Amino acid sequence: DVKVTQSSRYLVKRTGEKVFLECVQDMDHENMFWYRQDPGLGLRLIYFSYDVKMKEKGDIPEGYSVSREKKERFSLILESASTNQTSMYLCASTLGGNYQPQHFGDGTRLSIL
Amino acid sequence: RKEVEQDPGPFNVPEGATVAFNCTYSNSASQSFFWYRQDCRKEPKLLMSVYSSGNEDGRFTAQLNRASQYISLLIRDSKLSDSATYLCVVAPNTGNQFYFGTGTSLTVIP
Repeated sequence: DVKVTQSSRYLVKRTGEKVFLECVQDMDHENMFWYRQDPGLGLRLIYFSYDVKMKEKGDIPEGYSVSREKKERFSLILESASTNQTSMYLCASTLGGNYQPQHFGDGTRLSIL
Repeated sequence: RKEVEQDPGPFNVPEGATVAFNCTYSNSASQSFFWYRQDCRKEPKLLMSVYSSGNEDGRFTAQLNRASQYISLLIRDSKLSDSATYLCVVAPNTGNQFYFGTGTSLTVIP
C-alpha cells in the first residue's frame, strides 16, 4: 500500500510566521501535489511537482512556495502566514501521468491566528 | 464553466436503499475518472476507478457516459457506514492535473 505521510495533523501558527508543511511518500512516485480544501470550495491545487526540483503552479499559488529536493519529499511553504490561509492542507502523490489515481496523506489542519 | 460539477446534496437515504450520484465534466478529452470517499475531517480515499466499460466492486457500481460527459456511482443496499462525502475526479488526456468535484454528501439513516 502507498503511504503518504504529512508531518502534522494539526498546526497553529501566528500571522506573519513562515510555515513549513512536509509530505513524504514511500512508493517512488513521480508526481506530488499540494491542495487546500475549504467548505463549499472543494480541493484546490496550490502546486504540483512532476520530478525532483521541478514544480508547476496550480490554481492558487499566491502566498505559497514549494520545494522538492528529493523524490520522496514535497514541502509546502507559507512565506508569511495570513488568516485566510487557515485551511485543511492535503498532500497527494501518483506514479506518473494522470491515469493513475492519487493517494492522499492524512491532511494538516492549519490555523493561523 | 467548472471542469467538474456535482450535486452537493445532501442525500439522506434509509438503510438498504439504493442511491445514485452523477458527476458531469466539461472537457470531452478527459481520459481518467475516479470516485473518492471522504469522511468528515479526513483525507479522500480512493473508492474506485471508472473504466469505459463500467465496473463493479461489491455494492458499488461506477459508469462512464462519454457521449453525455458524466460519470455515475450507484450504491446498493446502503449501510450506515456509507455515510460520507463522495468526490468525483476527472483527469484530461494531457498533463498531470486532476480536477475534483466539490463532493456529494450522503447520510444513511437507520
